[in-house]
Amino acid sequence: QVQLVQSGAEVKKPGSSVKVSCKTSGGTFNRHAMSWVRLAPGQGLEWVGEILPIFGAIKYAQKFQGRVTITADESTNTAYMDLSRLRSEDTAVYYCARVGAIGSQYFQQWGQGTLVTVSS
Amino acid sequence: QSALTQPASVSGSPGQSITISCTGTSSDVGSYIHVSWYQLHPGRVPKLIIYEATKRPSGVSNRFSGARSGNTASLTISGLQADDEADYYCCSYAGGSTYVFGSGTQVTV
Repeated sequence: QVQLVQSGAEVKKPGSSVKVSCKTSGGTFNRHAMSWVRLAPGQGLEWVGEILPIFGAIKYAQKFQGRVTITADESTNTAYMDLSRLRSEDTAVYYCARVGAIGSQYFQQWGQGTLVTVSS
Repeated sequence: QSALTQPASVSGSPGQSITISCTGTSSDVGSYIHVSWYQLHPGRVPKLIIYEATKRPSGVSNRFSGARSGNTASLTISGLQADDEADYYCCSYAGGSTYVFGSGTQVTV
């Protein structure tokens, strides 16, 4: 049974950065792409970016290019999302979402979500 | 990449069927079979209910079914139940390891 466990809630000042972690247990880590998806208050789900650890391949949504960095540590089966130059509109629940087997393009398992609040 | 277009809300009575549309472009829904649907209850984690446009993951009720034609995908929920009341999102692969979600539909039973 694959489980994704994310780090806890964060409160950040505008202009600062936040790093959210997502640890995988119970399954193969490096052969499954891991995406980050956010849900802002009153908004819909929004894809942020993805990493495929085995190839080190990373892709970001155009909207977040230059502000987001997604990494993976294969030694600890943990993926990270770092979002910089935070603004109030970045207040959201951030989810990690594990893609199915290689070749599939859907989010099979999800982390519990991490609330990031950006406020002065 | 603009969000896929979904109706803001759809409602139905218990036992009825409803259909949620998801309209994209020839760059996403129209080009790839990889359309998935997620159910999101308030305060809970998104749940995969349809993948590859028409397939149901193990454990998902057969009351949920998906279709895709041209630039539009759809989700049908038959035999509506109270627990189906949630937000529903479509998602399409958009090439180059990128994805785009729909705007979301609130289902009221």
